[in-house]
Amino acid sequence: AQKITQTQPGMFVQEKEAVTLDCTYDTSDPSYGLFWYKQPSSGEMIFLIYQGSYDQQNATEGRYSLNFQKARKSANLVISASQLGDSAMYFCAMWGNTGKLIFGQGTTLQVKP
Amino acid sequence: SAVISQKPSRDICQRGTSLTIQCQVDSQVTMMFWYRQQPGQSLTLIATANQGSEATYESGFVIDKFPISRPNLTFSTLTVSNLSPEDSSIYLCSAGLWGGEQYFGPGTRLTVT
Repeated sequence: AQKITQTQPGMFVQEKEAVTLDCTYDTSDPSYGLFWYKQPSSGEMIFLIYQGSYDQQNATEGRYSLNFQKARKSANLVISASQLGDSAMYFCAMWGNTGKLIFGQGTTLQVKP
Repeated sequence: SAVISQKPSRDICQRGTSLTIQCQVDSQVTMMFWYRQQPGQSLTLIATANQGSEATYESGFVIDKFPISRPNLTFSTLTVSNLSPEDSSIYLCSAGLWGGEQYFGPGTRLTVT
């Protein structure tokens, strides 16, 4: 069975600093993908970044990077130079051989001015 | 990427009635899913919408309560039947290609009175 674990219910970060949101996963599928989504208070799910299990390099998208450590089964999201607009709920998710996305419990990030 | 629209964006419904939510994708996708997000919770997969055939439901969700249609590759509907206050949630449609990125619609906020 697949499982995603986010152990940080809430995080605070000072504006302009970097922050790491933790995500660990468990799967027996050799091929899988890992996602991070942002959900602001408006409720929409905004796709941030994707990492395939066979990708050799860590994914990056602007200020977002995914620290993928396959042996440790972790896929942490790093946000550099935090902005007030980054305050939101962040979800880590994974698909396996079923193609379905399984979500973690989420981490609420608050950026302080 | 895919752009996904959902209608309605929100609705207030009376107990015992039904609500049908529409999901439209701007490009052909292989996978379409419906999720429920209860207040303060993570996303829970309701079902996989299969083109031209019955949806595949997750444990705890049944067709009589959540009938789903997907007549073509870009459109799907979810009906939430016999509404009760416990059905008050955000309902989200997602779509993407097998083994690739998945994108979400803006969600439908349902309140049952």
